[in-house]
Amino acid sequence: AQSVTQLGSHVSVSEGALVLLRCNYSSSVPPYLFWYVQYPNQGLQLLLKYTSAATLVKGINGFEAEFKKSETSFHLTKPSAHMSDAAEYFCAVSVASGGSYIPTFGRGTSLIVHP
Amino acid sequence: DSGVTQTPKHLITATGQRVTLRCSPRSGDLSVYWYQQSLDQGLQFLIQYYNGEERAKGNILERFSAQQFPDLHSELNLSSLELGDSALYFCASSVGIGTYEQYFGPGTRLTVT
Repeated sequence: AQSVTQLGSHVSVSEGALVLLRCNYSSSVPPYLFWYVQYPNQGLQLLLKYTSAATLVKGINGFEAEFKKSETSFHLTKPSAHMSDAAEYFCAVSVASGGSYIPTFGRGTSLIVHP
Repeated sequence: DSGVTQTPKHLITATGQRVTLRCSPRSGDLSVYWYQQSLDQGLQFLIQYYNGEERAKGNILERFSAQQFPDLHSELNLSSLELGDSALYFCASSVGIGTYEQYFGPGTRLTVT
């Protein structure tokens, strides 16, 4: 079975600073990996996904993530935080199971951006 | 706006009752997923339907059931409700059953009193 660990339930940065949200996964087969963002009172929105093509994946809103197989990591970064980035971020891993791909989500990291 | 709609937005009910949550997927999407999000358990996959048939089951209680209708909308039925069932329930849809990205609805917040 696959699992996801997001290090840090809360990450606090200043506006303009680097954002780094950590995600480590466990999977016995090559995984598909995703980052989702959830703004208050909204559903999840896909930021980016890794599906075994390029290891550096670019997403929306200036975010990117790098797949590192040796470290079983898929950390999310953004060079310069904006106030509008404040939200809950979820990492998810998905593997084939009976013909379906069902994601397993991490517990989420709340990103706090200070002015 | 993801194109996935869920009704109602909020639901308050008493223990022991039964409720039905409704989801309409994005136009063209055949697959529907249901998730439960709570502070205790995080985001948990409940069940998936594809073109009217159940395809995958997660941590769904026996008191819960779902179905997908010919017009592809889906309903999640929760019965004999307990206080612990209070949570956000999300529906998501995707084109197929592969690695297609999922589009999430805004959720239904269920409060059991």
